[in-house]
Amino acid sequence: SQTIHQWPATLVQPVGSPLSLECTVEGTSNPNLYWYRQAAGRGLQLLFYSVGIGQISSEVPQNLSASRPQDRQFILSSKKLLLSDSGFYLCAWSVGTGHYGYTFGSGTRLTVV
Amino acid sequence: QQQVKQSPQSLIVQKGGISIINCAYENTAFDYFPWYQQFPGKGPALLIAIRPDVSEKKEGRFTISFNKSAKQFSLHIMDSQPGDSATYFCAASTENGNQFYFGTGTSLTVIP
Repeated sequence: SQTIHQWPATLVQPVGSPLSLECTVEGTSNPNLYWYRQAAGRGLQLLFYSVGIGQISSEVPQNLSASRPQDRQFILSSKKLLLSDSGFYLCAWSVGTGHYGYTFGSGTRLTVV
Repeated sequence: QQQVKQSPQSLIVQKGGISIINCAYENTAFDYFPWYQQFPGKGPALLIAIRPDVSEKKEGRFTISFNKSAKQFSLHIMDSQPGDSATYFCAASTENGNQFYFGTGTSLTVIP
């Protein structure tokens, strides 16, 4: 069966520090991968998606970047965190266009102080 | 521009009552409409989904009603329970698209 792993679960980082969040998927090949951010009490904002290794589409200009170094690995990064980067970050995967649904990871709660 | 509009933002229902959440869309190319349930501190999980070739889909206490001509769909939770208290997101996608378009979410509280 397919599983998605996302870590860490919680993270507190000072302003100006770097960020690296990792997401891996098991049990499937060539998944579409997604990074979402959810601010407190808010909806889901798509940050990046990837349809293959090295292929990254950015939906929102921001202080973040994403990379896909391996087929089932998706990394969200920042060189210098801002207070506004705080939020709940979710990784998700789908088969193709997702008509069988997205599967979300358990999320990372990032607090920038 | 919000591709999928969801209402209400929050909803309080008595135990045993019916919870109704509504969504509307404009893009007639959308052909897949899932609902996700999210508990605090967790990722959203697929709850139920419908395609536009049917007007209703039921799974247990959860029902999606779909009105293609009005470009609207809704989630009905029958016999609502305190354990249903969560945030619910509707979404829409196209067969050839690479992403889902999510509604802004509805926070449901079921009072015992």
